[in-house]
Amino acid sequence: GAVVSQHPSWVICKSGTSVKIECRSLDFQATTMFWYRQFPKQSLMLMATSNEGSKATYEQGVEKDKFLINHASLTLSTLTVTSAHPEDSSFYICSAESGISYNEQFFGPGTRLTVL
Amino acid sequence: GQNIDQPTEMTATEGAIVQINCTYQTSGFNGLFWYQQHAGEAPTFLSYNVLDGLEEKGRFSSFLSRSKGYSYLLLKELQMKDSASYLCAAMDSNYQLIWGAGTKLIIKP
Repeated sequence: GAVVSQHPSWVICKSGTSVKIECRSLDFQATTMFWYRQFPKQSLMLMATSNEGSKATYEQGVEKDKFLINHASLTLSTLTVTSAHPEDSSFYICSAESGISYNEQFFGPGTRLTVL
Repeated sequence: GQNIDQPTEMTATEGAIVQINCTYQTSGFNGLFWYQQHAGEAPTFLSYNVLDGLEEKGRFSSFLSRSKGYSYLLLKELQMKDSASYLCAAMDSNYQLIWGAGTKLIIKP
């Protein structure tokens, strides 16, 4: 099956710093990538949808200036959490859609962010 | 609005059968997905239904009734490793997934 990687797997940073998370589709070209956030014992919350070469579409309530998304190629999308604060601590998961096979989303392993 | 409902938690015994229900309300419908998520890990795909009926895949089966806005995931011959959260997600007319909060399944020996 299709493989999606995320890097880093976990990160601890100080409040006020920025953190970049990479999401790569390893064996297919992803027409669309999604970024989710998941707090403990809660479901996935879609943050934004990005298509290669165009601006990301953010969900209501998600600050686009704080969560910068770049989808520079068909295999790479990045999420940068700018000026991170403790309330940004969460599990961030990306998924990629190939555009075939009933729009199935393939998930990355997730990145656990802890902001001190 | 769009909404997915599934039980918060269920408990079952190893070797038994459990059915996890999901009801959905979406703007348009392009299929119903079930994912398994172990604690601290990303979801993994289990099944996809877009037509009414039962899809069987090994120990797992998934059922869909579009007229009732209802699906269930059936797990047979439960194993301890099946302890996880099971997420139901419906795809709306914009091909966007609407996620349920997940059902935490606890398997007891």
